[in-house]
Amino acid sequence: EAQVTQNPRYLITVTGKKLTVTCSQNMNHEYMSWYRQDPGLGLRQIYYSMNVEVTDKGDVPEGYKVSRKEKRNFPLILESPSPNQTSLYFCASFPRTPDNEQFFGPGTRLTVL
Amino acid sequence: QKEVEQDPGPLSVPEGAIVSLNCTYSNSAFQYFMWYRQYSRKGPELLMYTYSSGNKEDGRFTAQVDKSSKYISLFIRDSQPSDSATYLCACDSWGKLQFGAGTQVVVTP
Repeated sequence: EAQVTQNPRYLITVTGKKLTVTCSQNMNHEYMSWYRQDPGLGLRQIYYSMNVEVTDKGDVPEGYKVSRKEKRNFPLILESPSPNQTSLYFCASFPRTPDNEQFFGPGTRLTVL
Repeated sequence: QKEVEQDPGPLSVPEGAIVSLNCTYSNSAFQYFMWYRQYSRKGPELLMYTYSSGNKEDGRFTAQVDKSSKYISLFIRDSQPSDSATYLCACDSWGKLQFGAGTQVVVTP
């Protein structure tokens, strides 16, 4: 089954404690991206990757890091989380050109105390 | 000002009515235009995508793009209670996606 998986699905942590949210896709897609979704602000792109070892900033990259060492994985790293990073995070996977084969992960709800 | 503007609603319609959703955008570099549906506590799912001006139809859904006006629309015919969700428009420029804020739609039986 084609899918995007994210782990963990829920996480409560404290300010400053490094964390990683994993994202994996099984569709051999070139393009992967991370978004955060906040009430009233909608989905905002954090980082995206057009292929292995190619990443670029989205609209809200501050406080986040990503890496794309393998095609299937695109982890999101928060080196020193802060309360304003409390949000719902989605990973997405697309083929080279957007078509009907676009998938979002189930979301990770992060709370930073 | 956001590059993609969308009325957040909520939009309430009776079952069987046509749902009309709109977005405007400001960046002429956008190449692809998408509509997603998002149910509560779920990730967005792609409904329609287009890359040129004109209409595209898929079942009860019709997506419309007018690049000259920078205006995109989604129409849902014969709406059902199961269509109740938040609908998000998105515009893409070389992998950089901009989403509208989403419109909450409620279809009442």
